[in-house]
Amino acid sequence: GDSVTQMEGPVTLSEEAFLTINCTYTATGYPSLFWYVQYPGEGLQLLLKATKADDKGSNKGFEATYRKETTSFHLEKGSVQVSDSAVYFCALSLDRDDKIIFGKGTRLHILP
Amino acid sequence: DAGVIQSPRHEVTEMGQEVTLRCKPISGHNSLFWYRQTMMRGLELLIYFNNNVPIDDSGMPEDRFSAKMPNASFSTLKIQPSEPRDSAVYFCASIIRLTGKAFFGQGTRLTVV
Repeated sequence: GDSVTQMEGPVTLSEEAFLTINCTYTATGYPSLFWYVQYPGEGLQLLLKATKADDKGSNKGFEATYRKETTSFHLEKGSVQVSDSAVYFCALSLDRDDKIIFGKGTRLHILP
Repeated sequence: DAGVIQSPRHEVTEMGQEVTLRCKPISGHNSLFWYRQTMMRGLELLIYFNNNVPIDDSGMPEDRFSAKMPNASFSTLKIQPSEPRDSAVYFCASIIRLTGKAFFGQGTRLTVV
């Protein structure tokens, strides 16, 4: 079935370090891909999205490129801040319905 | 818009009691989801509605769980009877159909003792 696999956390980095969180997916058809972020005590919120192959989603310095050949959507940021500490979820959605399938989430800790 | 509103924010109940969680989606959104989040299993989709009709309830863990959406502005998730393993954070989310952008409420933290 359709699924999302992302790297296990927690990931701990120093401020200004480069971030990569890996995400791969399995889907029948052509999904849209998303990264959601969850700050402590809050619900998830959309960070960025890409709807077709080779699209790049970007927001708040984060980027991810839809790679159909490797079925991947890795999240990157060039210089992380303490305020980026949160849980990041990779997700997919198929055009046939609204169901959004989430990965298990990756907890990110940024040290000052 | 106030966003997706869930109540209560926290619920502590004794095993065997009935628990009802409530959700008010964003006006104009066609689809509504209920998720459960735990450390062990991450974020699980329990059920989702489109235009108030349940479309997929395959994630509902067992018959003790039920969900309703009597109109476009209100949904409930009921657990009866509750058990300690139901302790989790329950999220409601709404979405404009086929956009993929979900708006989440702040969640209800349920503790069953």
